[in-house]
Amino acid sequence: NAGVTQTPKFQVLKTGQSMTLQCAQDMNHEYMSWYRQDPGMGLRLIHYSVGAGITDQGEVPNGYNVSRSTTEDFPLRLLSAAPSQTSVYFCASSYNGGSRPSSYNSPLHFGNGTRLTVT
Amino acid sequence: AQSVAQPEDQVNVAEGNPLTVKCTYSVSGNPYLFWYVQYPNRGLQFLLKYITGDNLVKGSYGFEAEFNKSQTSFHLKKPSALVSDSALYFCAVRPDHGGSQGNLIFGKGTKLSVKP
Repeated sequence: NAGVTQTPKFQVLKTGQSMTLQCAQDMNHEYMSWYRQDPGMGLRLIHYSVGAGITDQGEVPNGYNVSRSTTEDFPLRLLSAAPSQTSVYFCASSYNGGSRPSSYNSPLHFGNGTRLTVT
Repeated sequence: AQSVAQPEDQVNVAEGNPLTVKCTYSVSGNPYLFWYVQYPNRGLQFLLKYITGDNLVKGSYGFEAEFNKSQTSFHLKKPSALVSDSALYFCAVRPDHGGSQGNLIFGKGTKLSVKP
């Protein structure tokens, strides 16, 4: 199993450019999420999905869009990049989540991250 | 507001000594508690979790964590530290009610440095 795969590993954008960060998992996980990691801030949730066709906002959703057309893929789109979006982005998935609190004991599986710099 | 606190930005220990990385939380109900480790340029890896039952849980790489409900704490411990344990450690909490949608709340992380 590849687990959670993120591409690209590194990306440099100019202010105003758009791009999509790709995330794919091969574990048939229902729950997928995107976090950004900034020094001294820990991990902050951007968007999440509890299944194909269902997405919702996390703590810091502004400037980002997501979609979930399949169980495997959960891309993150930056429509107009800003320097404040310079960060390391992590995609994560887990077996259960969403409407089944009794199954919240499943740990998250993380990708290796995308380091994004916006100049 | 629900939150997780890791009061130490960095913990320094000598190899062979015991280590503790502290975590406290402020979450309603009976949350699920997790520890993750992050090595440089990698994603987070799951170490251990507390769901219910015995307050001392054992996880990967010889780590264990002690749950204390009255103090709302979930400290990570290891009896004898290794240089290879040097990494960034995150405590995370998942509220047990449906309104949370299963989202984890992370602490800011603690950098563990183990010196030979």
